[in-house]
Amino acid sequence: DAGVTQSPTHLIKTRGQQVTLRCSPKSGHDTVSWYQQALGQGPQFIFQYYEEEERQRGNFPDRFSGHQFPNYSSELNVNALLLGDSALYLCASRIFRDRKQPQHFGDGTRLSIL
Amino acid sequence: LAKTTQPISMDSYEGQEVNITCSHNNIATNDYITWYQQFPSQGPRFIIQGYKTKVTNEVASLFIPADRKSSTLSLPRVSLSDTAVYYCLVGDMRNNNAGNMLTFGGGTRLMVKP
Repeated sequence: DAGVTQSPTHLIKTRGQQVTLRCSPKSGHDTVSWYQQALGQGPQFIFQYYEEEERQRGNFPDRFSGHQFPNYSSELNVNALLLGDSALYLCASRIFRDRKQPQHFGDGTRLSIL
Repeated sequence: LAKTTQPISMDSYEGQEVNITCSHNNIATNDYITWYQQFPSQGPRFIIQGYKTKVTNEVASLFIPADRKSSTLSLPRVSLSDTAVYYCLVGDMRNNNAGNMLTFGGGTRLMVKP
């Protein structure tokens, strides 16, 4: 049973570029959340997708956008990259209506901005 | 969401029991207490969740006093592989909104020495 998988594992971009990160949720899960984790800090919630719609959003600018596909996989897009966007980007999945189960996290994509 | 306070770091030795305490003075009636573990370059991994008294699973115990304003994660007989960051989260995890939007603090960095 595959857990949450993310690709790529590492990525290097330069300021001003755009990036797309991908996530496949754990088998059977239908909701995906994205988090940004700066070095030495806890993960910060970016947004959550369910039924192909953004349902909740944290305190992140519009440069951060996402998408969820019919197979529940998801993409995180970041435009006009800034040096401060360098971080580990984590994807987490859950069964939306199974309130007893916690979120399962992938191992993230390490994004470095030069 | 209730704010949590936990020690920034702790040291221990192999074979010892480790107790990490988390303060959450503003915990709400419907809030649950959840602990995650995170190794370097990996995503957080769910350890344990509880509402009151004591919860035990195969890896840890969670002690919650009657007033629920604090909680203690207990790791029995730690090994070097338990070196990680441990996060305490408080929220109504069984609410679909809160359960999908986790709020992490800075966590406790546990170093287990030989």
